[in-house]
Amino acid sequence: EVQLVQSGAEVKKAGESLKISCKGSEYSFTGYWIGWVRQMPGKGLEWMGIIYPGDSDTRYSPSFQGQVTISADKSISTAYLQWSSLKASDTAIYYCARHQEWGSSFQPFDYWGQGTLVTVSS
Amino acid sequence: DIQMTQSPSSLSASVGDRITITCRASQSISSYLHWYQQKPGKAPKLLIYSASSLQSGVPSRFSGSGSGTDFSLTISSLQPEDFATYYCQQSYSAPNTFGQGTKLEIK
Repeated sequence: EVQLVQSGAEVKKAGESLKISCKGSEYSFTGYWIGWVRQMPGKGLEWMGIIYPGDSDTRYSPSFQGQVTISADKSISTAYLQWSSLKASDTAIYYCARHQEWGSSFQPFDYWGQGTLVTVSS
Repeated sequence: DIQMTQSPSSLSASVGDRITITCRASQSISSYLHWYQQKPGKAPKLLIYSASSLQSGVPSRFSGSGSGTDFSLTISSLQPEDFATYYCQQSYSAPNTFGQGTKLEIK
């Protein structure tokens, strides 16, 4: 069964850096776009960006461009979301999710990770 | 960015009711519209993709319709496990924006 397993909860201070991960298994990791979605406390879902692990083609939402970096290491089937300098407003749950169709970013997210809670104190 | 607007933002209903949630896009998105269900503390779950296709394993009481800018999600007979928050999402163009969500509560 397809699985996306995310790294554990993080507690950080404002200004610190952070990299969280999402490991895919039981499917061809390089062939499916992987995305990141933010959910701030008590709020809705926000699409941050996606990456195609096969060639690391990456697309960002303008709201997150320059604020985070999305990357992937296809040798270990893992995608990453990183911050160079966290803010208190980055406190949220971050989900990774896989696009449904091989090679396409026009389909929905069909498999989701369990979420990583990032808490940033000021 | 394409804006997705759901209505209502919240809805109170009873087990056995038929309910409809609507989602409107700020421009035409063809049928690149998907619906998710999220329960507290859980990741979202895909229900309907491409406006009207039922995701594998999802009960047939869920259905979707629409194209262009106006879409709807219908639950034909609410079950206790259906009380959750529902989101629409477009994948016509990046960023693949979500609606603000509709919280379905028990009356």
